[in-house]
Amino acid sequence: SQTIHQWPATLVQPVGSPLSLECTVEGTSNPNLYWYRQAAGRGLQLLFYSVGIGQISSEVPQNLSASRPQDRQFILSSKKLLLSDSGFYLCAWSRVGYTEAFFGQGTRLTVV
Amino acid sequence: GDSVTQMEGPVTLSEEAFLTINCTYTATGYPSLFWYVQYPGEGLQLLLKATKADDKGSNKGFEATYRKETTSFHLEKGSVQVSDSAVYFCALYTGGGNKLTFGTGTQLKVEL
Repeated sequence: SQTIHQWPATLVQPVGSPLSLECTVEGTSNPNLYWYRQAAGRGLQLLFYSVGIGQISSEVPQNLSASRPQDRQFILSSKKLLLSDSGFYLCAWSRVGYTEAFFGQGTRLTVV
Repeated sequence: GDSVTQMEGPVTLSEEAFLTINCTYTATGYPSLFWYVQYPGEGLQLLLKATKADDKGSNKGFEATYRKETTSFHLEKGSVQVSDSAVYFCALYTGGGNKLTFGTGTQLKVEL
């Protein structure tokens, strides 16, 4: 069976510090991978998606970047966090050609 | 572009009450439609889906019918339980964009 792991579950970081959130998928190959952000009181915003190693599409210009160094690994990064980067970050995957997405447990990031 | 509009919450109901959460969409082509549920502190789980007009998705007593003529996918349940308290997201997928587009979510609170 397929599983998705996302860590850490919670993170408190000072403004201006770097960020690295990691997501890995097990039990499948060549998945589509996604990073979403859920800000307090708002819906889900797609940040990045990837259809293959090294292939990243950015949906919203911002302070964040994403990388996919391995087939089943997706990393969300920032060089300098802003207060507005606080939120709940969700990683997800889907099979190529299928529409259903499977989500990780999320990371709650608080920038102070 | 693609978009999903959901009724605003929170929605507060008594146990065993009837639930309707409205969802309408705008999309190019013929999207697949989804309802996801997010329990407190967790990621999203797929609740139900429909891939073509007039399809009815159902799961755990929840139902939604894909209405192409009204571009709607309203979520219903005949008798809610306290355990149904969660945030519900309507979403659509069109293959060209290779991504899920979510609504803003509707928080449901069910009280005894």
